[in-house]
Amino acid sequence: EGQLLESGGGLVQPGGSLRLSCAASGFTFDIYAMSWVRQAPGKGLEWVSAISDTGGTTYYADSVKGRFTISRDNSRTTLYLQMNSLRAEDTALYYCAKSPTGAIVGVPWGYFDHWGQGSLVSVSS
Amino acid sequence: DIVLTQSPDSLAVSLGERATINCKSSQSVFSSSDSKHCLAWYQQKPGQPRKLLIYWASTRESGVPDRFSGSGSGTDFTLTISSLQAEDVAIYYCQQYCTLPLTFGQGTKVEIK
Repeated sequence: EGQLLESGGGLVQPGGSLRLSCAASGFTFDIYAMSWVRQAPGKGLEWVSAISDTGGTTYYADSVKGRFTISRDNSRTTLYLQMNSLRAEDTALYYCAKSPTGAIVGVPWGYFDHWGQGSLVSVSS
Repeated sequence: DIVLTQSPDSLAVSLGERATINCKSSQSVFSSSDSKHCLAWYQQKPGQPRKLLIYWASTRESGVPDRFSGSGSGTDFTLTISSLQAEDVAIYYCQQYCTLPLTFGQGTKVEIK
C-alpha cells in the first residue's frame, strides 16, 4: 500500500522561502505523476502544482506561478515543493498526492489515489 | 475556473439509512476524448489521509465498499452511501479533473443522527 509522508513545513516570515518534501514508499514512484494540494485554515482544497513521472512536464496554479517550483528526485522517491516569496495567504496545510498515471497530458492524470497527511506552512511576521 | 458546489454542507443520517451528497459544477465536466465525466469523490476522516472513493463519476476505487456509489452527468453529480455505517463519519469532497486548475467542492460533513 502506497504511503506519502510530507515534511519541511514550519513558520516563515512574509517574503521568505521554504522547501517541502514528500517521501514516497510502497509503490513504483518513478512511473506516476505527483501533485501538491493545499488547504488554508477554514478554507477548501486548492490544487497547487503537478509534475509528470519524468519531471519533464509541470503545471502550476496561477496563485503560485513564478514563486513555487515543483520537482522530484526519482532515485530518492521524493517529491519537492520549493516555495519562494511567501505570502500570508500561502498559510495552509500542504498535501502531496499521487496520480494514477505517469504523464500529465489529457485528462486521466488529474485525480489522486493516494494522499499524504500534510505539512503545515505558516507565513507570518 | 470550474466551481464545484456541494450540498448540503453537513448532514446527519441514522445508521443503516441512505446518505446523499450533491456536487454541482459551474461547467460541464465531460471529457469528450475519454467519453466520461471527470469527477472524483474523496473521503476524509480525522487523522487519516484522504481516500479516493469514486473516479470517472461512477467508478468505485478498488477496495471501496459497494455501499458507496457515484452517479450523475453534465453538471450534476451525486455520491450515495446506501446504508450508513459508523465508520462512514467523515468529510466528503468532489473534485473535477477535466480542466486546469483542478478544483474541489467545499466538502460535506456526514454525521450519525
